[in-house]
Amino acid sequence: EDQVTQSPEALRLQEGESSSLNCSYTVSGLRGLFWYRQDPGKGPEFLFTLYSAGEEKEKERLKATLTKKESFLHITAPKPEDSATYLCAVRPNYGGSQGNLIFGKGTKLSVKP
Amino acid sequence: DARVTQTPRHKVTEMGQEVTMRCQPILGHNTVFWYRQTMMQGLELLAYFRNRAPLDDSGMPKDRFSAEMPDATLATLKIQPSEPRDSAVYFCASGQPGQGIDGYTFGSGTRLTVV
Repeated sequence: EDQVTQSPEALRLQEGESSSLNCSYTVSGLRGLFWYRQDPGKGPEFLFTLYSAGEEKEKERLKATLTKKESFLHITAPKPEDSATYLCAVRPNYGGSQGNLIFGKGTKLSVKP
Repeated sequence: DARVTQTPRHKVTEMGQEVTMRCQPILGHNTVFWYRQTMMQGLELLAYFRNRAPLDDSGMPKDRFSAEMPDATLATLKIQPSEPRDSAVYFCASGQPGQGIDGYTFGSGTRLTVV
């Protein structure tokens, strides 16, 4: 069964304290691993797509990496405005179907000034 | 910025009533999704469409939920009759997978409360 597990469920950091969020996945063929940010009362906002092991992408203080089993979202010197829930999702390779994302339950990040 | 528009933002209804949620996807996106988000289950796919044709609705309770795309600018999700367990936030998302636009864009959601 295709599955996405994120850890930790919640993470509290002090401003400037770097850390990483983990996304472990099992999927029958990976057609992309996605990271989203979700603020309270809003829809998920797309951050990155990674397609193959070894790939890395960066955006401001965020860097996403991918291996064959998991992905990490590294947050360097976070600021309070980075506080949000970070969602990981995978798109399985269902015999040519291009569509559905399977989401993890997210990591709620709080950054204190 | 282009955005996915969902209406209404909030809906409170009594058990047994019909609920219709609407979504205007981003112009040019050929794939539209309906997701439901709850604290317990997270984001779950209900249904999705490619070029207005339904591709997968296996996540929907068929006896009460229905999803349609009457045209390229409108997707609807209907619940009839509604039940308290349907209380959740319903998100619409659109994208164009395989065309270089792989990060689907989500709307702000419809928060449904069934009492």
